[in-house]
Amino acid sequence: GAVVSQHPSRVICKSGTSVKIECRSLDFQATTMFWYRQFPKQSLMLMATSNEGSKATYEQGVEKDKFLINHASLTLSTLTVTSAHPEDSSFYICSATGQAHEQYFGPGTRLTVT
Amino acid sequence: QQPVQSPQAVILREGEDAVINCSSSKALYSVHWYRQKHGEAPVFLMILLKGGEQKGHEKISASFNEKKQQSSLYLTASQLSYSGTYFCGTEMNNQGGKLIFGQGTELSVKP
Repeated sequence: GAVVSQHPSRVICKSGTSVKIECRSLDFQATTMFWYRQFPKQSLMLMATSNEGSKATYEQGVEKDKFLINHASLTLSTLTVTSAHPEDSSFYICSATGQAHEQYFGPGTRLTVT
Repeated sequence: QQPVQSPQAVILREGEDAVINCSSSKALYSVHWYRQKHGEAPVFLMILLKGGEQKGHEKISASFNEKKQQSSLYLTASQLSYSGTYFCGTEMNNQGGKLIFGQGTELSVKP
């Protein structure tokens, strides 16, 4: 149990375009999901907390108009990177929270902006 | 208030033991431990909630000190499969699982 999927696993896009990443909890309901960004050889940096049915809570320094988060159901959260630029290239990972607050991570999405 | 992990990296021979520490400047609600292999997502190892708590499965265990500001992860009789980067994630209050991760400890187990 506790499986989280992410789609796509890899995406290459041109500068100025938008990219949508989906995060799904496959076998449990997740009222809360988290979005992280990870640069090579670095830690996971929390971007935002995604709450089902309400607005996401963004961490300091994360542009909410650039990283749009929607949590429309108990099993799906989406992150849209708008007007992507090369500096947005990174590994984006979502997680869903279990009953004891343990986090189950999706497999991640490697975004490359050219 | 990112927790501080030590050491940053460790190299072991198969069968050797290792300890990874995670320290916070403030009291914590909980500490989580995760392992991440290159190019993959982190995998949950365990969570500690109570000061003085110790947990473990197989040859990986962890403790959470009484003052709830430090946790240690113990890997005994290491196996090749233990290689990866270990992260502690700390929750300051009961924030529904919102974690701040340490910078990671890279563990390499050699044959």
